Amino acid sequence: GIQVEQSPPDLILQEGANSTLRCNFSDSVNNLQWFHQNPWGQLINLFYIPSGTKQNGRLSATTVATERYSLLYISSSQTTDSGVYFCAVEPQGGSTLGRLYFGRGTQLTVWP
Amino acid sequence: DTGVSQDPRHKITKRGQNVTFRCDPISEHNRLYWYRQTLGQGPEFLTYFQNEAQLEKSRLLSDRFSAERPKGSFSTLEIQRTEQGDSAMYLCASTPGGQVNYGYTFGSGTRLTVV
Repeated sequence: GIQVEQSPPDLILQEGANSTLRCNFSDSVNNLQWFHQNPWGQLINLFYIPSGTKQNGRLSATTVATERYSLLYISSSQTTDSGVYFCAVEPQGGSTLGRLYFGRGTQLTVWP
Repeated sequence: DTGVSQDPRHKITKRGQNVTFRCDPISEHNRLYWYRQTLGQGPEFLTYFQNEAQLEKSRLLSDRFSAERPKGSFSTLEIQRTEQGDSAMYLCASTPGGQVNYGYTFGSGTRLTVV
């Protein structure tokens, strides 16, 4: 199946710093989503971004589908940004409509 | 609508017992997915429903696992004869369906511990 690799695996920041999280995937995709999993386990959808660039407040994401990677930018980080960030993709031509393949995530810790 | 609901939030069971989890998707969503997440890993696909039809099951879903979605509304996931390896977070998600698959909405999950 499709491979999804995220980097870095761990990231520790001081409040106010900026960061970039990367997601590489091994095949063409129909769908790419970024999620934030909070310490209680809730997965929150941040972006649906199979291509192009989107922004939502302090977060933005860019997917370059032809080069098979996506970036999540977090600016002016806050302690509430802490948690695990997952990238998930749906491969083109996949047998199951909407089935997502997740990376292992980036564990972000923001200190005050 | 309050989103995707899962019940219970936590379940501790003895090895060999049966457990059942429930998921209530967003009411207008006709696609429902079950995923399993173990510590330090991303969620892994288990099964998928389009309305009441179960269209695919992962090979992770052994014969001890069964899922239903009667009438295309809520869904249940049952694990029979639980094993310690079944300990994980079980996540349910729903999407509206249609040609374009927009963002998933996940529930808060059911954390299963088998002792």
